[in-house]
Amino acid sequence: KAGVTQTPRYLIKTRGQQVTLSCSPISGHRSVSWYQQTPGQGLQFLFEYFSETQRNKGNFPGRFSGRQFSNSRSEMNVSTLELGDSALYLCASSRDSFMNTEAFFGQGTRLTVV
Amino acid sequence: GESVGLHLPTLSVQEGDNSIINCAYSNSASDYFIWYKQESGKGPQFIIDIRSNMDKRQGQRVTVLLNKTVKHLSLQIAATQPGDSAVYFCAETGRGAGGTSYGKLTFGQGTILTVHP
Repeated sequence: KAGVTQTPRYLIKTRGQQVTLSCSPISGHRSVSWYQQTPGQGLQFLFEYFSETQRNKGNFPGRFSGRQFSNSRSEMNVSTLELGDSALYLCASSRDSFMNTEAFFGQGTRLTVV
Repeated sequence: GESVGLHLPTLSVQEGDNSIINCAYSNSASDYFIWYKQESGKGPQFIIDIRSNMDKRQGQRVTVLLNKTVKHLSLQIAATQPGDSAVYFCAETGRGAGGTSYGKLTFGQGTILTVHP
């Protein structure tokens, strides 16, 4: 079966712009989580959605937001981009919470802010 | 932040050796732990998991050991192969206030494993 699909794979944006990243989970998976990966901070949790509801949120500024659609696809948006937002953004999907079912990660979207 | 990734520890082994990768976790409330493998240009790949009511779990060529007393996790890879070369992360999650910490994995900094033929 198809894995977690993230689009686009690579993105270059200018400071001050906004960006939307997309994640299509594995069919049947209702939970989608987002993570930011940087060399300096490692992998950090952004937020998690389940059945179109945000169930959990990490410690990121309000410029980072997300949503989930009825087909479980999820998007995250970053407004007013800063140089420090350059990172690999990863999403993971699972049937329910990580504690009950395995989570699968996508290949990520590499965002570069210039 | 909860995850620090300044200088990743490295482990260099010869093909066929056994590898042991260690991880210290910080949250005593965590009750579910996962090891991930991340190859260059790819997302993390699930290797093995363990719940806090266990202290050892074995998979194919891999074993995870959990020591809750000292909040330590280790991953043992038997007969390491060049294809095992990657960055390995431990991750923890558990029941936060009011219930499960949905979707929230706290990752360790990672260890770079290099396997020489």
